[in-house]
Amino acid sequence: DGGITQSPKYLFRKEGQNVTLSCEQNLNHDAMYWYRQDPGQGLRLIYYSQIVNDFQKGDIAEGYSVSREKKESFPLTVTSAQKNPTAFYLCASSIVTSGSGGLFFGEGSRLTVL
Amino acid sequence: GEDVEQSLFLSVREGDSSVINCTYTDSSSTYLYWYKQEPGAGLQLLTYIFSNMDMKQDQRLTVLLNKKDKHLSLRIADTQTGDSAIYFCAESTGGRRALTFGSGTRLQVQP
Repeated sequence: DGGITQSPKYLFRKEGQNVTLSCEQNLNHDAMYWYRQDPGQGLRLIYYSQIVNDFQKGDIAEGYSVSREKKESFPLTVTSAQKNPTAFYLCASSIVTSGSGGLFFGEGSRLTVL
Repeated sequence: GEDVEQSLFLSVREGDSSVINCTYTDSSSTYLYWYKQEPGAGLQLLTYIFSNMDMKQDQRLTVLLNKKDKHLSLRIADTQTGDSAIYFCAESTGGRRALTFGSGTRLQVQP
């Protein structure tokens, strides 16, 4: 079945460590996105990518990094510079970067900093 | 800048209609969306409406758009306990190239 796979589903990190969240899609979508969700705050855009080897910062990019070496993959690294990394992270993809298609989401990764 | 506002909570009885409201500020929004999120899961696209439409109906779901007031609503007819979830509205503009989401409305359906 086509879809978006995020891993791991749960991740625990000690302060000062970098962690990488995986996002893979087999929908042949051009655009991919990372959002962060905190309770009562909705989703906030971290990074997005419209094509391979290109990506743009979203609203809260500080302390995060991404790469887009392959169309189907868009990993997110949460660095030690991110001051409050505990959150639910959602990856999404779309056929085009705007238009009626909307975004298709993965099941999310919950990161907890101990 | 862009801003999308929703009320945080709505409680209804099973079988009643639910109406979830959303306001947005970007008058250049081209598409507006409704997503559903169940606990611990990702977001599921329910429906969307193009900005030149006033209404869209899809089975139990009715979307109303008042572009003048920048107001969007989602009506769920015959609400069931399985409809209990968080509902997000989101807007898309050509320049933004990503969706801007509201904070979500938690719908609780009482049996």
